[in-house]
Amino acid sequence: EAQVTQNPRYLITVTGKKLTVTCSQNMNHEYMSWYRQDPGLGLRQIYYSMNVEVTDKGDVPEGYKVSRKEKRNFPLILESPSPNQTSLYFCASRRSGPLTDTQYFGPGTRLTVL
Amino acid sequence: GNSVTQMEGPVTLSEEAFLTINCTYTATGYPSLFWYVQYPGEGLQLLLKATKADDKGSNKGFEATYRKETTSFHLEKGSVQVSDSAVYFCALTPSSGSRLTFGEGTQLTVNP
Repeated sequence: EAQVTQNPRYLITVTGKKLTVTCSQNMNHEYMSWYRQDPGLGLRQIYYSMNVEVTDKGDVPEGYKVSRKEKRNFPLILESPSPNQTSLYFCASRRSGPLTDTQYFGPGTRLTVL
Repeated sequence: GNSVTQMEGPVTLSEEAFLTINCTYTATGYPSLFWYVQYPGEGLQLLLKATKADDKGSNKGFEATYRKETTSFHLEKGSVQVSDSAVYFCALTPSSGSRLTFGEGTQLTVNP
């Protein structure tokens, strides 16, 4: 089954404690990205990756890091989380072909930073 | 820059009612337009898309027409069901580039 998986699904942490949210896809997609979803703001892109070792900033990259060492994985790293990073996070992937190709989204990770 | 504006929600309807969720956009050139749906507790799924002016996207009884002259992509369904209760997002991808820009989302609740 084609899917994007994220872990953990729920996380409560404290300010300053480094954390990583993992994302993995089994569709051999080149393009992967991270979004955060906040009420009234829709989804905003944090970072994206066009392929292995190729990453770039999205609209709201501050306070986040990513890496793309393998094609299937695209972890999101919060080195020093702060309360304003409390949000619902989604990972997505698609082929690197036409821009109209469907993006596949993971189930989301709900993060609370106290 | 690119932007997407959706009608304010939430929207509450009775089963079998007609649905319209308005979406307008700002973008240069000829973007591709999408509607995504998010069911409770799940990630987003593509509902329909249109890639050029006057195209109509359709799926599961939902339709939306790409109107270049009014920069709109309104979502419609003739008869909603309880199972259509979800959050609906309008989005665009510019003619150059790969980034999806989303609207703020519209919560739809359909009561039996």
